Amino acid sequence: GAVVSQHPSRVICKSGTSVKIECRSLDFQATTMFWYRQFPKQSLMLMATSNEGSKATYEQGVEKDKFLINHASLTLSTLTVTSAHPEDSSFYICSPGGGTDTQYFGPGTRLTVL
Amino acid sequence: DAKTTQPTSMDCAEGRAANLPCNHSTISGNEYVYWYRQIHSQGPQYIIHGLKNNETNEMASLIITEDRKSSTLILPHATLRDTAVYYCIGVYNNNDMRFGAGTRLTVKP
Repeated sequence: GAVVSQHPSRVICKSGTSVKIECRSLDFQATTMFWYRQFPKQSLMLMATSNEGSKATYEQGVEKDKFLINHASLTLSTLTVTSAHPEDSSFYICSPGGGTDTQYFGPGTRLTVL
Repeated sequence: DAKTTQPTSMDCAEGRAANLPCNHSTISGNEYVYWYRQIHSQGPQYIIHGLKNNETNEMASLIITEDRKSSTLILPHATLRDTAVYYCIGVYNNNDMRFGAGTRLTVKP
């Protein structure tokens, strides 16, 4: 299957700071990137979808100004959580799409906001 | 995308077959059935997918009923490492996966 990496794997930050999460598609060109988050004991929830070179489309209830997504290349997308608060603490997972007939997921980034 | 219904949890004895059911009565003719699993604190892992025919790979078998309203994922010889949450997803194409609550499978020694 496709190889997807995320960095960092876990991060702890203070409330009010911004955190950037990188997602790399290592062996195919991802024309689309899906970002999910998962709260404890809950399922994955789709946050936003981005296409390379264009603005992301956000799901209802997800603030586009708070969760900045950049998809400038076919192998890299970033999610920046701006002015993070404790309620943003979650498991963030990316999934590149468009290059294979099966969707693969990154290993996830656990964000803890103090 | 089709709504899917799965049991909340299941247990299975190590070495035995684990049969995980999924109902997708609203699935349309061109929607695939995908199965993923998620081990604690990891990203979802692809298992198998199918449209109409039964499918088998090195991980599992997928049995889809003729009316396509339900399917069963079979892990032929469950091991302790198969303990995970298993998600059944009905989707038109391979993108934009929407996850339900899934089934928490616990494989017991």
